[in-house]
Amino acid sequence: DAKTTQPPSMDCAEGRAANLPCNHSTISGNEYVYWYRQIHSQGPQYIIHGLKNNETNEMASLIITEDRKSSTLILPHATLRDTAVYYCIVRVPKGYKLSFGAGTTVTVRA
Amino acid sequence: DAMVIQNPRYQVTQFGKPVTLSCSQTLNHNVMYWYQQKSSQAPKLLFHYYDKDFNNEADTPDNFQSRRPNTSFCFLDIRSPGLGDAAMYLCATSRDRSLGQHTDTQYFGPGTRLTVL
Repeated sequence: DAKTTQPPSMDCAEGRAANLPCNHSTISGNEYVYWYRQIHSQGPQYIIHGLKNNETNEMASLIITEDRKSSTLILPHATLRDTAVYYCIVRVPKGYKLSFGAGTTVTVRA
Repeated sequence: DAMVIQNPRYQVTQFGKPVTLSCSQTLNHNVMYWYQQKSSQAPKLLFHYYDKDFNNEADTPDNFQSRRPNTSFCFLDIRSPGLGDAAMYLCATSRDRSLGQHTDTQYFGPGTRLTVL
């Protein structure tokens, strides 16, 4: 699976959008970008995934650049409960393993 | 609600004393995974079951075993826990390993935190 690079930490204000970047410059054409988050002392939670097109669901939006070498997870209105470690993971099709990197620790402040 | 359940949430065992952690799921998923997450580290896959087919990761120590008696349940057995095995153990499930060109989403339980004294 392609290696990903994320900033180790970031802060954001409650009620504002949080934009989490991820670089995956060695991604292959058939590899998906997945985002999970892990709130302290809980199991990881699936957020969203995409291949080429931008994706949106009830939790977040995923913006993938045209060259697919980077992506941004957007939490539209961050709340205190969004404080967590966010993992960007690149997966091959038919790949079963989630290879977690260090992730970004996001702290939402009131 | 369909979910992944892990019991107990906290487990304390003694050095060398066998311990079993359990996971159950109401999602009727084919695949069940066990991950180990040590303090301040990312989760690391130990092994997974695809239906009844057991798949071990190459670097998983022999001290770790698993059983899946039916679709709903999966157990993690640590035969002789050492101090280095203290960690959060995470169970996850997915409907399948792959669906054509799609990877399948994994859903995690809350984890069991294991302390070894």
